Amino acid sequence: KNEVEQSPQNLTAQEGEFITINCSYSVGISALHWLQQHPGGGIVSLFMLSSGKKKHGRLIATINIQEKHSSLHITASHPRDSAVYICAVIQGAQKLVFGQGTRLTINP
Amino acid sequence: EAQVTQNPRYLITVTGKKLTVTCSQNMNHEYMSWYRQDPGLGLRQIYYSMNVEVTDKGDVPEGYKVSRKEKRNFPLILESPSPNQTSLYFCASSMTGGNTIYFGEGSWLTVV
Repeated sequence: KNEVEQSPQNLTAQEGEFITINCSYSVGISALHWLQQHPGGGIVSLFMLSSGKKKHGRLIATINIQEKHSSLHITASHPRDSAVYICAVIQGAQKLVFGQGTRLTINP
Repeated sequence: EAQVTQNPRYLITVTGKKLTVTCSQNMNHEYMSWYRQDPGLGLRQIYYSMNVEVTDKGDVPEGYKVSRKEKRNFPLILESPSPNQTSLYFCASSMTGGNTIYFGEGSWLTVV
């Protein structure tokens, strides 16, 4: 069993829909990253969370340390949000363990 | 502009021919790391470095070496590449305890 599990693996939605991607982990962590990987391969850091909730534009990330669970929400989704979203947990000082990613496709 | 630069971006090489993938960052970050990404396996950490002359193994260090002689550079060395090292490689950097991790654009490596 992977230490970091994401769901769903694939998600297709219509433009404007509210999107939720989930990340569960089984190990102790100091923080968690949400990353976005574009179709061309580049990876961009969206959020780092150690508690609570963060918001940036249409993106919201939450984490529940007790339940070992984090969610990434996208409001008013747009085709340009189509990408792979990756959850990564930080163990210890800086060891990163990644989820398998969620491939999101937003249709116009 | 804040950047992590990897070279080469694309390389096809032969088994056993030593190669180095360079990584440089211009943000004075203490932390640098290398990852490989493979279909079905996702991203996996190869090596990381907390500062100059401080390196440590990640999850898949076999067949790789790294060095951190200067803060800005963190090269990945494949002494004797094998076909199972065909992969997409990413270098990344961040401030220790920082909120943002910066990734290079990736290096596609094929070993035949």
